[in-house]
Amino acid sequence: GENVEQHPSTLSVQEGDSAVIKCTYSDSASNYFPWYKQELGKRPQLIIDIRSNVGEKKDQRIAVTLNKTAKHFSLHITETQPEDSAVYFCAASIVSGGGADGLTFGKGTHLIIQP
Amino acid sequence: DAGVIQSPRHEVTEMGQEVTLRCKPISGHDYLFWYRQTMMRGLELLIYFNNNVPIDDSGMPEDRFSAKMPNASFSTLKIQPSEPRDSAVYFCASSLGGLAVEFKQYFGPGTRLTVT
Repeated sequence: GENVEQHPSTLSVQEGDSAVIKCTYSDSASNYFPWYKQELGKRPQLIIDIRSNVGEKKDQRIAVTLNKTAKHFSLHITETQPEDSAVYFCAASIVSGGGADGLTFGKGTHLIIQP
Repeated sequence: DAGVIQSPRHEVTEMGQEVTLRCKPISGHDYLFWYRQTMMRGLELLIYFNNNVPIDDSGMPEDRFSAKMPNASFSTLKIQPSEPRDSAVYFCASSLGGLAVEFKQYFGPGTRLTVT
C-alpha cells in the first residue's frame, strides 16, 4: 500500500518568513495530493490540492509543487502570519473516472509562527 | 449546506461496552470515509463507501469494528466490545465521485471517544 513520509515534524519560523513542508510518497499510481490544516481540537480542513497532471498550483500565499519523477511534493506558505500556526498534513490518493480512494496521510508538521 | 455531521461529539464509555458513532455526509456526495486519529498512529483510513457499498475495509483494525451505510445520508461505525486502545478521535468525511472532477474530501467535526 501507499506510504507517505512528511518532514519536518515541527517547523518554527518568524512571522513574515516563508515555510516549506515536504512529503514523499511510495506508490507511483497515486495522482491526487491534498494538504490539510488542523487547528487544535478541530477537524482537518483542505487548504490546497494538486493533481499529477500539474506541476504547481498556487492560491494566494499558499502553493504546492509536485515532482512525479522523484515522488515528492511540497507545501509553500509565504508571508506567514500568526493564524498559520497549526498542524499541516499531506496526503496521497488514487483518483479515477469513478472517484477517489481513501487518503493516506503523512504524520503531520506542527508549524509555529514566532511573532 | 451544513457540512458533514457527526454524533456524538464526545463519548466516554467503559471497556467492554458497545459504541456507535454516526455520520451524515454532505447531501449529494456519494463517497463516505471513516478515519481515526491518534497521537501514535496519526490519521488512518478505516473504511470507505461508494453509493452506500463498502469498497475498502482493509483499515478496520479487527472484527470488533464494523461499519454500515444503510442509505445515502447515514452511516454508522460500531465498536463491540470497546477497549481502551480504541480511544481516539474518529472522523467521517465525504466527497463527490462519479463524473465529477472534484475529489475533495470534507471532514466532519469528529467524535472524541474515550474508553476507560
